Amino acid sequence: GAVVSQHPSWVICKSGTSVKIECRSLDFQATTMFWYRQFPKQSLMLMATSNEGSKATYEQGVEKDKFLINHASLTLSTLTVTSAHPEDSSFYICSATQGGGTEAFFGQGTRLTVV
Amino acid sequence: RKEVEQDPGPFNVPEGATVAFNCTYSNSASQSFFWYRQDCRKEPKLLMSVYSSGNEDGRFTAQLNRASQYISLLIRDSKLSDSATYLCALNQAGTALIFGKGTTLSVSS
Repeated sequence: GAVVSQHPSWVICKSGTSVKIECRSLDFQATTMFWYRQFPKQSLMLMATSNEGSKATYEQGVEKDKFLINHASLTLSTLTVTSAHPEDSSFYICSATQGGGTEAFFGQGTRLTVV
Repeated sequence: RKEVEQDPGPFNVPEGATVAFNCTYSNSASQSFFWYRQDCRKEPKLLMSVYSSGNEDGRFTAQLNRASQYISLLIRDSKLSDSATYLCALNQAGTALIFGKGTTLSVSS
């Protein structure tokens, strides 16, 4: 199947700093990528849909100015958590579909800890 | 009503047991249905797609009931290695997967 690579796999940052997470489709072009967040013992909650060359679409309750998404190429989407706070500590994971299909391919996830 | 409802468990079963998980969904326009397996601190991995006719992959059987809007996963002859969280998911073409909360399975010897 298609491969999605996410980096970094874990990061610890100080409160108030910003963290950038990268999501790359390695062997296919992804016009759409999705960003999820998962808190402990919770499900994956969709944060936003990232569209190549246009603005991301955010789910209700997700602050677009705090979670900046950039999808500048067909193989790369980035999520920047700005002015991170301890409550932003979570597992962030991206996914992409290939060729408009329905099967999703996931990155390895990024575990963010804000101290 | 939540889009996808799933019993979180946990389900604690002995090796060799048969266990079943269910999910119900509210959006009748949903087109594709899946079961994912997620191990602790890892990304979800696709276990199997779910079709109306039902489908089987070894010890795993998935069913979809569109009329009642639920999907199920049956695991036969449970192994220790089956211990994980199982998430149902669904979407329409080109849209994001919507996940259930996940059901935790613990298989013991």
